[in-house]
Amino acid sequence: EPEVTQTPSHQVTQMGQEVILRCVPISNHLYFYWYRQILGQKVEFLVSFYNNEISEKSEIFDDQFSVERPDGSNFTLKIRSTKLEDSAMYFCASSDPRGGQQYFGPGTRLLVL
Amino acid sequence: QKEVEQDPGPLSVPEGAIVSLNCTYSNSAFQYFMWYRQYSRKGPELLMYTYSSGNKEDGRFTAQVDKSSKYISLFISDSHPCDSATYLCAMSGGSWGKLQFGAGTQVVVTP
Repeated sequence: EPEVTQTPSHQVTQMGQEVILRCVPISNHLYFYWYRQILGQKVEFLVSFYNNEISEKSEIFDDQFSVERPDGSNFTLKIRSTKLEDSAMYFCASSDPRGGQQYFGPGTRLLVL
Repeated sequence: QKEVEQDPGPLSVPEGAIVSLNCTYSNSAFQYFMWYRQYSRKGPELLMYTYSSGNKEDGRFTAQVDKSSKYISLFISDSHPCDSATYLCAMSGGSWGKLQFGAGTQVVVTP
């Protein structure tokens, strides 16, 4: 069964460093998303992406964040200068073009020291 | 008022019992309603997806949506210890729109 994959599974970085989180969505999906979940809190929407552009973003998704689909398979989230409060689990999701169901990857656990 | 309210639990039930979960919401624009299961430190796994009001069954899982009351439910029949997880409700206003999640309810099924 097709699934969303994410790399790395864990990332530790120093405050102020740039990180890139990678995702491979399900191959025939057209909408892509990033969410995050701070430990003990609810899953929060960051950004959605369709047709090579951002379709919606939350107030969390400020100028430090960017997304890109550099080729036909990968979808990336970049955080330019990480802060302590960026420590969270980051989930990529992609959406079935027929019905809109969003399928999530296993997540990348980001720890900013 | 939070957009999506969900009791965090924990909810403990004996094996074989029915698990009853629910969420309430305030935004009448929500049209699509989902239930996800999340094991510790894993990604949410889609269980049920419904549009507008009504019931939907899939094996041991039954989802109900009552838009007039802004209330959604998930029932798990014949529960097993492997059903022990956190169950998240989520909803959106459009087919491919952002999901608004509840806080999740932790369920423990005891043998």
